[in-house]
Amino acid sequence: EVQLVESGGGLVQPGGSLRLSCAASGFTLTSYWMSWVRQAPGKGLEWVASMSQDGNEKYFVDSVRGRFTISRDNAKNSLYLQMNSLRVEDTAVYYCVRDPGPDGTGWYYFDCWGQGTLVTVSS
Amino acid sequence: DIQMTQSPSSVSASVGDRVTITCRASQGFSRWLVWYQQKAGQAPKFLISAASSLQSGVPARFSGSGSGTEFTLTISSLQPEDFATYYCQQANSYPLTFGGGTKVEIK
Repeated sequence: EVQLVESGGGLVQPGGSLRLSCAASGFTLTSYWMSWVRQAPGKGLEWVASMSQDGNEKYFVDSVRGRFTISRDNAKNSLYLQMNSLRVEDTAVYYCVRDPGPDGTGWYYFDCWGQGTLVTVSS
Repeated sequence: DIQMTQSPSSVSASVGDRVTITCRASQGFSRWLVWYQQKAGQAPKFLISAASSLQSGVPARFSGSGSGTEFTLTISSLQPEDFATYYCQQANSYPLTFGGGTKVEIK
């Protein structure tokens, strides 16, 4: 069974840092593009960042570029989102998601979602 | 950036009703439009890709159509389990963008 499990969320003060993790099972992370999507409380979905299967291509929404980084650990079959200089407006549930494109091709949408991890930025 | 606008933002309907949700793009593209369903307290679920291709396991009462700048999601006969919020997403280019969502509520 394909599964994504996020962890690492919590309460952090503005300007602080947090690292989210996503453990994948049922498939090999290195075969797929992977992304993070977030959802502020009571709001819609917002794409945050994407990474190619080989790690050579990375894309970020403008609001997080320069503050967030996306990475993966192939040995652990895990994806990460390092979030620095956090702002109140970064408060959201963060979902780890898989792009279904085969053989490392990005199809730019998401067929598998984790349950999400809540990040709250507040003083 | 491609902006995605969904309408209506909410709709009240009864079991058995036909429901149509529209998603409009600020720039035209082929058929790289995806639909998701999100129930309260749950992660989104992928429904339709390439504007009209149903994901395996999605009931046939769901259908998608459109190309260019206007796309639609239709539920032909609403069932109790379909009450949820639906989102479109353009899968044409980065930055990837979602519509604001359409909440389908019980009338």
